[in-house]
Amino acid sequence: LAKTTQPISMDSYEGQEVNITCSHNNIATNDYITWYQQFPSQGPRFIIQGYKTKVTNEVASLFIPADRKSSTLSLPRVSLSDTAVYYCLVGDDRNTGGFKTIFGAGTRLFVKA
Amino acid sequence: NAGVTQTPKFRVLKTGQSMTLLCAQDMNHEYMYWYRQDPGMGLRLIHYSVGEGTTAKGEVPDGYNVSRLKKQNFLLGLESAAPSQTSVYFCASSLIPRTGNNEQFFGPGTRLTVL
Repeated sequence: LAKTTQPISMDSYEGQEVNITCSHNNIATNDYITWYQQFPSQGPRFIIQGYKTKVTNEVASLFIPADRKSSTLSLPRVSLSDTAVYYCLVGDDRNTGGFKTIFGAGTRLFVKA
Repeated sequence: NAGVTQTPKFRVLKTGQSMTLLCAQDMNHEYMYWYRQDPGMGLRLIHYSVGEGTTAKGEVPDGYNVSRLKKQNFLLGLESAAPSQTSVYFCASSLIPRTGNNEQFFGPGTRLTVL
C-alpha cells in the first residue's frame, strides 16, 4: 500500500491561496490520488481526484508532477469556512484483490480572519 | 435524496453489551463501507461490502460483524462492546470504483461510548 505523508497542520488567512502537499513515494502505476475534506462532527467529503498533471474543479486544483511521488492540493482564496482537516489518499480501489484506500491523519487547516 | 443516513447518532453502552448500527443509502450504490475514527486520528476501515450479500474485512475488523442483506442497507454489529471500541463510526457508499471515479459518500456518523 502506498503510504502518504502530509503536514500535520497549517495556518492561513482569509483570501490567501493554500497549498497542501502530500508525499507518496511508493505510489503504484494504477493508483489514483484523492483528497477529502472533513469538518468537525461530520463525515469526510470528496474534494478532487487525479492521476497525473493538473485537475481543476469548482472547489480546488490538484497538481501532480510527472513522477507522481507527490501531489499538491490548492485551495484558492480560502475563507473561514475552509477550516477543516484535509486527507490525501492514494490507492486503486478497482483491484478485485481487496480494498486499498487508506485514510491517514490528514492536515488540519486553520483559516484566520 | 437523503444520501447516506446512520442510526443512531449517539449511543452509550456498558462493557459487554451488544448493539447494531444501521447505515442506509438511497443512491443505488454497490459498495458500502464502515469506518471508525478515534480522536485526532484519520479513518480506519472496519469492513466493507462490494454488493448485496457480500462482506469483506478491512483494516480493523476484530470485534465487529457486518451484514448486507439488502443493497441499500449495511449493518455493523458489536457482539460484546469494549471500551476500546469507543469511537465515531462512519458509514460510506460508492459506485463500483473505476478509472477516475471512486468517490465515497459519507454519513453523519454515530458517536459511540463504551463505559
